Amino acid sequence: EAQVTQNPRYLITVTGKKLTVTCSQNMNHEYMSWYRQDPGLGLRQIYYSMNVEVTDKGDVPEGYKVSRKEKRNFPLILESPSPNQTSLYFCASSFRKAEPGQGTHTQYFGPGTRLTVL
Amino acid sequence: AQKITQTQPGMFVQEKEAVTLDCTYDTSDPSYGLFWYKQPSSGEMIFLIYQGSYDQQNATEGRYSLNFQKARKSANLVISASQLGDSAMYFCAMRELYFGNEKLTFGTGTRLTIIP
Repeated sequence: EAQVTQNPRYLITVTGKKLTVTCSQNMNHEYMSWYRQDPGLGLRQIYYSMNVEVTDKGDVPEGYKVSRKEKRNFPLILESPSPNQTSLYFCASSFRKAEPGQGTHTQYFGPGTRLTVL
Repeated sequence: AQKITQTQPGMFVQEKEAVTLDCTYDTSDPSYGLFWYKQPSSGEMIFLIYQGSYDQQNATEGRYSLNFQKARKSANLVISASQLGDSAMYFCAMRELYFGNEKLTFGTGTRLTIIP
């Protein structure tokens, strides 16, 4: 089954304790992205990756790190979590356009990770 | 910069009635795509429907249709014959389709509640 998986689904942690949220997709997608969802703000992009070893900042990258060593995996790292990073996190993936003028591809989302930082 | 606006934080609709969820967008790129996602209380994001800026016809997918008015920069989602299972958060999103851009920009969402 084609899917994007995230782990853990729920996490409660304390300020300053490093954590990693894993994301994996089995669709051979080039593009992967992390979003956070907060009430009244919708989803905002944290980081994205166009392909292996190619990552870039989204709209709200402060306090986060990512890596893309393999095509299928795109972990989100919080080196020193703070309470303002309490949020619902989504990983998403899609194919990239192979050439200019090509239509877009639908982005598929993981089930979400609800993070609480105390 | 691209922007999505959803002005209805919440809506209550009687079961079996049609419902329209509003979405307006702003972009300077002539080529873009518009998406609608559904988020039920379980939290996952479910893709519903897509409309390209150059598509000649409004998109439809089962009970979902997209009322695309390019001159007004609106892309409203219409759900026909609403069901209790349609109760969820709905997000409108846009992607500018220039080569190299894959970023989705989301609106703030509309919480739809279907009343039996």
